[in-house]
Amino acid sequence: TQLLEQSPQFLSIQEGENLTVYCNSSSVFSSLQWYRQEPGEGPVLLVTVVTGGEVKKLKRLTFQFGDARKDSSLHITAAQPGDTGLYLCAGGVTNAGKSTFGDGTTLTVKP
Amino acid sequence: GAVVSQHPSWVICKSGTSVKIECRSLDFQATTMFWYRQFPKQSLMLMATSNEGSKATYEQGVEKDKFLINHASLTLSTLTVTSAHPEDSSFYICSARDMRGSQGDEQFFGPGTRLTVL
Repeated sequence: TQLLEQSPQFLSIQEGENLTVYCNSSSVFSSLQWYRQEPGEGPVLLVTVVTGGEVKKLKRLTFQFGDARKDSSLHITAAQPGDTGLYLCAGGVTNAGKSTFGDGTTLTVKP
Repeated sequence: GAVVSQHPSWVICKSGTSVKIECRSLDFQATTMFWYRQFPKQSLMLMATSNEGSKATYEQGVEKDKFLINHASLTLSTLTVTSAHPEDSSFYICSARDMRGSQGDEQFFGPGTRLTVL
């Protein structure tokens, strides 16, 4: 059974601070996705990483895939209240069907 | 592109009735759709994987006779909660894979359906 552990589970910070969310596993994934979900809505895909060591940037968000494709991180610079939400990582294995989701990180950015 | 809709967005029903939730991929074909259940401030719990033209694959602990899934076309999957009870109240979310994309593991989610059983 593949497991993805996210940390921290909850994070409350002030506007303007930086933060990093981690997603770790003992399993190798062919790709890893990060999603953000706001209350009462479905998750929205932020990024997909597929190559070990890959770094992708989306405005103030930086995503990294571990060299061994077992872990990933999401770094947010100068967090804003609009970044508040549940962040989910998900690992996929080609042709395996379903993906494995992490437990999520609930981020609250206070103005 | 890759838009997924769900209907209804919320539903309130009496205990013992059945409720059908539709999940549609609006601008792509999805051979695989997934149904999730989510409790407040928790991650997604996969209920079943729905493949077009075949029987759904249910996760351990999910009653297939209670949660009926039909994937009759490449753009539509339905989840029917039969004989609903208050403990079935939850947020149900579907997702779909766009098989045209190079990132085959990506899932695109619907907006969710809030079910409340009285």
